Amino acid sequence: KAGVTQTPRYLIKTRGQQVTLSCSPISGHRSVSWYQQTPGQGLQFLFEYFSETQRNKGNFPGRFSGRQFSNSRSEMNVSTLELGDSALYLCASSLVKQLAGELFFGEGSRLTVL
Amino acid sequence: KNQVEQSPQSLIILEGKNCTLQCNYTVSPFSNLRWYKQDTGRGPVSLTIMTFSENTKSNGRYTATLDADTKQSSLHITASQLSDSASYICVVSATGNTGKLIFGQGTTLQVKP
Repeated sequence: KAGVTQTPRYLIKTRGQQVTLSCSPISGHRSVSWYQQTPGQGLQFLFEYFSETQRNKGNFPGRFSGRQFSNSRSEMNVSTLELGDSALYLCASSLVKQLAGELFFGEGSRLTVL
Repeated sequence: KNQVEQSPQSLIILEGKNCTLQCNYTVSPFSNLRWYKQDTGRGPVSLTIMTFSENTKSNGRYTATLDADTKQSSLHITASQLSDSASYICVVSATGNTGKLIFGQGTTLQVKP
């Protein structure tokens, strides 16, 4: 059974640009949640999508957005990039909503903003 | 304020030794507590999930305990191996209208030969 796939694995952007990250969940999983991980802040929850609807949202500015498609694949977008957006972005899939179900994480997309 | 605090921040042990990592939380209403292992440059992998009624849960050489009264959890690693070198993250799930996952900062474990 294939795991959670995130693309791209690494990317470099400059301030002001935008970026789109992709996450393909484990087959049959309906929940996809996104997290930002930095050395200083640790893992922080961005948002969760379940059945194409955003179900929960963390404390991030509106520059961070996402969506989920009918096949459960999800994308997150960060607009007007700032230096502080440099981080490892992880997505996780779950059979049920993230609060109740076991999370399966992808390997992450490492974003560097110059 | 919902918080999860882990100790120690980092730990170095010799291969074959046991160790215990701590997690204290102030999360309400509590739903479940999870331990994850994250190797450098990889995504976290689930070790255990415990609900309010579970006191102990094992996964191979990893044993997690939960005391819901004192709001403390521990992760005990038996007979450590070099491959146990990783960050261990405690995550508590809060239910209710503002339900969310609250993450600890993690404990970095280094196992030396």
